[in-house]
Amino acid sequence: KQEVTQIPAALSVPEGENLVLNCSFTDSAIYNLQWFRQDPGKGLTSLLLIQSSQREQTSGRLNASLDKSSGRSTLYIAASQPGDSATYLCAPRGYKYIFGTGTRLKVLA
Amino acid sequence: DTAVSQTPKYLVTQMGNDKSIKCEQNLGHDTMYWYKQDSKKFLKIMFSYNNKELIINETVPNRFSPKSPDKAHLNLHINSLELGDSAVYFCASSQDSTGAGEQFFGPGTRLTVL
Repeated sequence: KQEVTQIPAALSVPEGENLVLNCSFTDSAIYNLQWFRQDPGKGLTSLLLIQSSQREQTSGRLNASLDKSSGRSTLYIAASQPGDSATYLCAPRGYKYIFGTGTRLKVLA
Repeated sequence: DTAVSQTPKYLVTQMGNDKSIKCEQNLGHDTMYWYKQDSKKFLKIMFSYNNKELIINETVPNRFSPKSPDKAHLNLHINSLELGDSAVYFCASSQDSTGAGEQFFGPGTRLTVL
C-alpha cells in the first residue's frame, strides 16, 4: 500500500529565499509523480509532472526531481515570493494517485 | 473556457437528504475522477471512470453512486447524507488511465451536512 509523506508539514520563510519541499513514498512502482499547489478554499493547480523515466522537470522558478528507486521527490522553489504561499501536494501515480499530506508554505514580504 | 467545472460550488443540506454534484471537462480527456478532501485536508480518491466505464472504486459507502453519461461528464449522487459526508469533493480528469498523463482538477464542491 502506497504511503506518501511530505516534510516539512509547514514552512515560513522570508521573501527571496530558495527552498526545498520533500516528498517520500513507499512503493516505487509508479508511472509518474505530479506536484500541485492548493490555495485556501480553491482547487488543485498542477505545477509539474515527472514521468517515472525522468529525473527532473523545470517550470520557471520551480524544479522537481524524482529518485524513483529511493522513493523520493523534491520540489525546489527559487527566489520565493509572497504569491508562492499555498499548500504544496505531491502525488505519485501507481494504478491511482495517492496524495501526500502537503506542505503549507508561507512566504513573508 | 474552464477546463474542469463542477456544480454547485457550495451545497448545504440536512442529514438524510439525497444530493448530486455534477462535473464536466472540456479537455477531451478519457478518464475522470472523484476525490474527497476531509477537514484535515487529506485528499483521497473515491472513483475513476475511463471512457464511461468504472475502473477504480475505492472503499466508499454504497450511498455514493457515480454516473458517467459520456466521457466528458462524471456526476456524483449521494443518498441518505450523513454528517461525516461533509467535505470538499473534487472532480479531476486526465488524458487516459495509463498513468502517463497530467491530472487536472475542478474547483471543488464544499458539502456541508447539518
